[in-house]
Amino acid sequence: SQQGEEDPQALSIQEGENATMNCSYKTSINNLQWYRQNSGRGLVHLILIRSNEREKHSGRLRVTLDTSKKSSSLLITASRAADTASYFCATRGQNFVFGPGTRLSVLP
Amino acid sequence: EAGVVQSPRYKIIEKKQPVAFWCNPISGHNTLYWYRQNLGQGPELLIRYENEEAVDDSQLPKDRFSAERLKGVDSTLKIQPAELGDSAVYLCASSLSSRDRGGYTFGSGTRLTVV
Repeated sequence: SQQGEEDPQALSIQEGENATMNCSYKTSINNLQWYRQNSGRGLVHLILIRSNEREKHSGRLRVTLDTSKKSSSLLITASRAADTASYFCATRGQNFVFGPGTRLSVLP
Repeated sequence: EAGVVQSPRYKIIEKKQPVAFWCNPISGHNTLYWYRQNLGQGPELLIRYENEEAVDDSQLPKDRFSAERLKGVDSTLKIQPAELGDSAVYLCASSLSSRDRGGYTFGSGTRLTVV
């Protein structure tokens, strides 16, 4: 069974807008990671946040983690058409467990 | 450096036929994973190898699926016989070790269609 659950399932925005995706999980974790998957391709690792961290930045990406609420968010600022993809959170216990993903469409 | 290499990229077979997927992980990565991803879903772990040993195969349907990782490098995942419900993308990933708290590196996957 998949532990992480992303929300929303699909998101459509205009280029230049910010995109926010959320992830909720059920059990304790060592870290949480976000991956991107372009259509027909493998997953690409975006960013990792450890359980003792609350916020992390990487370029236009900002990830937050609230272990008390067992939730994380991924913010993509100033979105571009190339950001169109599916985004997955993966929680790290013994193995990675992926959520069903958020499908982001950035319209030019 | 080459990433995780998988072949073939696409495979179409008739039900009840056998099929095999191949994965070459990143050089030096001891841990190898096979995931299955159904349409519109996240990847689900099938099997994890530490070197040549399968240490977690609890999600592998053992009646028809088998895997091997000879010499702890390349790996092959086999389905025999294939069923319609096996249509999915099969992803291979590798990491330095299972204790590596970093991310996995994924291959591009093999898209299997069973007709």
